[in-house]
Amino acid sequence: TQLLEQSPQFLSIQEGENLTVYCNSSSVFSSLQWYRQEPGEGPVLLVTVVTGGEVKKLKRLTFQFGDARKDSSLHITAAQPGDTGLYLCAYRMEYGNKLVFGAGTILRVKS
Amino acid sequence: NAGVTQTPKFQVLKTGQSMTLQCAQDMNHNSMYWYRQDPGMGLRLIYYSASEGTTDKGEVPNGYNVSRLNKREFSLRLESAAPSQTSVYFCASSIPGIYNSPLHFGNGTRLTVT
Repeated sequence: TQLLEQSPQFLSIQEGENLTVYCNSSSVFSSLQWYRQEPGEGPVLLVTVVTGGEVKKLKRLTFQFGDARKDSSLHITAAQPGDTGLYLCAYRMEYGNKLVFGAGTILRVKS
Repeated sequence: NAGVTQTPKFQVLKTGQSMTLQCAQDMNHNSMYWYRQDPGMGLRLIYYSASEGTTDKGEVPNGYNVSRLNKREFSLRLESAAPSQTSVYFCASSIPGIYNSPLHFGNGTRLTVT
């Protein structure tokens, strides 16, 4: 199983600040997915990136897939307390319909 | 629209006890999954079912068994619980054959084994 490394593990910031979290690997992926998990709930899909160099925006969240398709980043502009949660990246295994997750980044946005 | 429903929400077991975690989805998905989530380790796949009647081991299957009862239901059984199985368990479902179809998760079962 290929390894997805997410950094930082934990991030605590003030409301209004910008931040970037990373998802890295030494392997090439056909695509990556980003999920957000709020306390007491299951993860929910935010976005899927497929093409090397692709940039996708979801309101204040910007997702980028590296040119070599080995890494991805999530940038949040003007973070809000509602952005608090665990951010997980994941890839789908080549064989079978199984999703492999990174360990995640815990984000806490203080008001 | 209920989506993926897991029961129970919380459970405390003593070492050696057995229990079954229940999962049902109403989205007519063929694929279903069981993951466990531990601090600092993300979500790890325990078992997977591509369709009714089929199951496959994931990354951490030891100590668990599963049953795909029908298209809607996929249960996870701990035959003899161990403290190492203390975790939050998530069931998920997805549509197979559609590239990059998302996983839809339930809200988890928090299990403590003492």
